[in-house]
Amino acid sequence: EAGVTQFPSHSVIEKGQTVTLRCDPISGHDNLYWYRRVMGKEIKFLLHFVKESKQDESGMPNNRFLAERTGGTYSTLKVQPAELEDSGVYFCASSLEGGSGNTIYFGEGSWLTVV
Amino acid sequence: GNSVTQMEGPVTLSEEAFLTINCTYTATGYPSLFWYVQYPGEGLQLLLKATKADDKGSNKGFEATYRKETTSFHLEKGSVQVSDSAVYFCALRENTGFQKLVFGTGTRLLVSP
Repeated sequence: EAGVTQFPSHSVIEKGQTVTLRCDPISGHDNLYWYRRVMGKEIKFLLHFVKESKQDESGMPNNRFLAERTGGTYSTLKVQPAELEDSGVYFCASSLEGGSGNTIYFGEGSWLTVV
Repeated sequence: GNSVTQMEGPVTLSEEAFLTINCTYTATGYPSLFWYVQYPGEGLQLLLKATKADDKGSNKGFEATYRKETTSFHLEKGSVQVSDSAVYFCALRENTGFQKLVFGTGTRLLVSP
């Protein structure tokens, strides 16, 4: 069974440009999450989809970040325009159910560098 | 709000040494607790978990016990290997609200031969 896949694995863009990250969750997982780790700090929650609906977007830092999950399958996270402080690793994750004891499976991350 | 505190790294050990990585948490309810590991160049992998007080999670020789009285979930391994070198993240998952994962800052472990 395929795990959570993310694309691109690495991206280097200039300040002011746009980057779109894609995530394909594990097949059948209705819950999809985005997290990021910036500058070696803790991994922070960005948002949570249940199917195509945003269940919780309290972690989105500002309106330069836009996440979508059309059709409830894959998700995209767009950063526009990118700033230097957006550099970090963006993790996507999915889970079958939302209960606290259910495992959340992570992808390998998309490493973003803004120069 | 909920939070997780981990010991600062890096932790440097020789092969076959005993490992402890401390983790304490603050939560309003009774969360589930997790240890995730990130090996060099790879993504986050679930290492072990515990869903209620006094539960012990274990995997690959690692263990952690959910201690409600001390709000702790320390990671231990009796004999580390070079291949255990990685960054270890302690996390909690709330059992109310939207149940998102809350992570600690991560602890880098370096094991030398």
